[in-house]
Amino acid sequence: GENVEQHPSTLSVQEGDSAVIKCTYSDSASNYFPWYKQELGKGPQLIIDIRSNVGEKKDQRIAVTLNKTAKHFSLHITETQPEDSAVYFCAPDLKKSSGDKLTFGTGTRLAVRP
Amino acid sequence: DGGITQSPKYLFRKEGQNVTLSCEQNLNHDAMYWYRQDPGQGLRLIYYSQIVNDFQKGDIAEGYSVSREKKESFPLTVTSAQKNPTAFYLCASSFNRASREQYFGPGTRLTVT
Repeated sequence: GENVEQHPSTLSVQEGDSAVIKCTYSDSASNYFPWYKQELGKGPQLIIDIRSNVGEKKDQRIAVTLNKTAKHFSLHITETQPEDSAVYFCAPDLKKSSGDKLTFGTGTRLAVRP
Repeated sequence: DGGITQSPKYLFRKEGQNVTLSCEQNLNHDAMYWYRQDPGQGLRLIYYSQIVNDFQKGDIAEGYSVSREKKESFPLTVTSAQKNPTAFYLCASSFNRASREQYFGPGTRLTVT
């Protein structure tokens, strides 16, 4: 996506291991940083988000960390399970002349090997 | 059940025909959005609407049109002017434009031959 980079593009981990996906954005004025999970043939599902006044947020096995100075935020999944296999998208809001818009990264395909 | 529905799940059309994709939500959300997703890519914004009877172009509006006559409904028409219409189309809604959290429907896969 425009001014949004996501790495890696593919990630394969053993069940039980951790997975980390990083999203870099260009707009220092961004203040909302969500992560979406998309399973095959379905719409994306919001799994966790963070706002710029917070550095880290955790929800059971998933967490998001934000480094506003470096303009990147990361998704952390611990104790991965086969059902975590999906494509993950970051979508920071970028300030545009037409208004704030979520701008989606190109996605990370996560495969969890049983 | 509250949520967003899109129909049909699969749609096939011949080149040169207009086609309308349906999106309905019963979440009482003010804002609605249409995105296009191509293989291996992220989502790109086509149109969005913050309130009934109002809508704005997104990043790739050319060849598309929308209407927002009812709060619950935001249909998207893919016109014959859209040069490459085959794609996965996703509708989303949020409580309002400022709330940021968007919730997506299951999508419609459109194939034009």
